Amino acid sequence: DAGVIQSPRHEVTEMGQEVTLRCKPISGHDYLFWYRQTMMRGLELLIYFNNNVPIDDSGMPEDRFSAKMPNASFSTLKIQPSEPRDSAVYFCASSRGGTFFGQGTRLTVV
Amino acid sequence: QKEVEQNSGPLSVPEGAIASLNCTYSDRGSQSFFWYRQYSGKSPELIMSIYSNGDKEDGRFTAQLNKASQYVSLLIRDSQPSDSATYLCAVRSIYNFNKFYFGSGTKLNVKP
Repeated sequence: DAGVIQSPRHEVTEMGQEVTLRCKPISGHDYLFWYRQTMMRGLELLIYFNNNVPIDDSGMPEDRFSAKMPNASFSTLKIQPSEPRDSAVYFCASSRGGTFFGQGTRLTVV
Repeated sequence: QKEVEQNSGPLSVPEGAIASLNCTYSDRGSQSFFWYRQYSGKSPELIMSIYSNGDKEDGRFTAQLNKASQYVSLLIRDSQPSDSATYLCAVRSIYNFNKFYFGSGTKLNVKP
């Protein structure tokens, strides 16, 4: 298996624009997590899904953030409108027992 | 108070020395603890888990847990330059099996 695949790897966008981050979990994994990592706050859980159903979105910072998992092999994290303080590395991870992280998307909002 | 606290470092050790990384957690009922290694620009990867008080050894790595004092540590023996990375401590929530709290990480530099 290729592991958790995220795209894009880097995203630079202007404030106010919509940003969509994508994730393909490892086949057979029934949990999917979205994390955000910054120097100030470390690694924070934003939301997680079990069998495509959102279970806990208490970490989503604002209504500007939304996440979907339309099927077992795909998830998106959308930020609309984006703000400079959203700049961070966003990780997707999947789990069936052990948790495996994707390579992350480095988002810069200017 | 944050759920998991780590010294951000950097911690510098010479090659061949023992590196000692520490982590404290706030929830006394926590049962599951994990150490992740993260190379610069890469994703975290799990290197150790520990659930019981005492030591757990895996090769050059030893995780230590003291629930009474609410701390977890990671010892790296015979440190190598390739061990230079940020080490993240994670604690599983006692209320949600699938929720983990991560520390901000300790940056380790192993000097040749």
